[in-house]
Amino acid sequence: QVQLVESGGGVVQPGRSLRLSCAASGFSFSNYGMHWVRQTPGKGLEWVAIIWYDGSKKYYADSVKGRFTISRDNSENTLYLQMNSLRAEDTAVYFCARVPHGGWYADYWGQGNLVTVSS
Amino acid sequence: EIVMTQSPASLSVSPGETATLSCRASESVSKNLAWYQQKPGQAPRLLISGASTRATGIPARFSGSGSGTEFTLTISSLQSEDFAVYYCQHYDGWPRFGGGTRVDIK
Repeated sequence: QVQLVESGGGVVQPGRSLRLSCAASGFSFSNYGMHWVRQTPGKGLEWVAIIWYDGSKKYYADSVKGRFTISRDNSENTLYLQMNSLRAEDTAVYFCARVPHGGWYADYWGQGNLVTVSS
Repeated sequence: EIVMTQSPASLSVSPGETATLSCRASESVSKNLAWYQQKPGQAPRLLISGASTRATGIPARFSGSGSGTEFTLTISSLQSEDFAVYYCQHYDGWPRFGGGTRVDIK
């Protein structure tokens, strides 16, 4: 069955960096686009970044553009989110999710990983 | 930017009754609309895509309808496991979620 397991979250000071990973199994990872989505009590669910199945295209929310980088290693079935210049407002639970072939929604989600940006 | 508005914000329903949740888009998203269910401490779970197509394994008591700017999720004969928060999300361009509707036990 499809499994997405995130890791790499934690507490980080403002201005610092953090990298999230998402290990995929149970499907042909290299055939699917992938998302990062985050959730906060105040702003709800927010799409952060999307990457094409082969990594050739990447799209970002305006709130993270220039600071976050989505990438993938299809040989390792792993998705990444490199987060630089972190701000307090980046504090959220971050989910990785699979993009089905029918559109930019998410048919399978990881369990979520909490990132707290605080001094 | 397309804004998604869900109503009501919360809904109290008795088990066995029907819940009707609404989602409105600020401009047309055609049928590029998904619904998710989220329980505390869990990731969202896809229920519906294409406004009306149930995802794999989703019971028939969940049904979606609408197109353009007005959408509805109907949950018939509510079961105890259906009490949760429900989100709509458009994917006609950059995807955005609505603010959610909480369905709790009356």
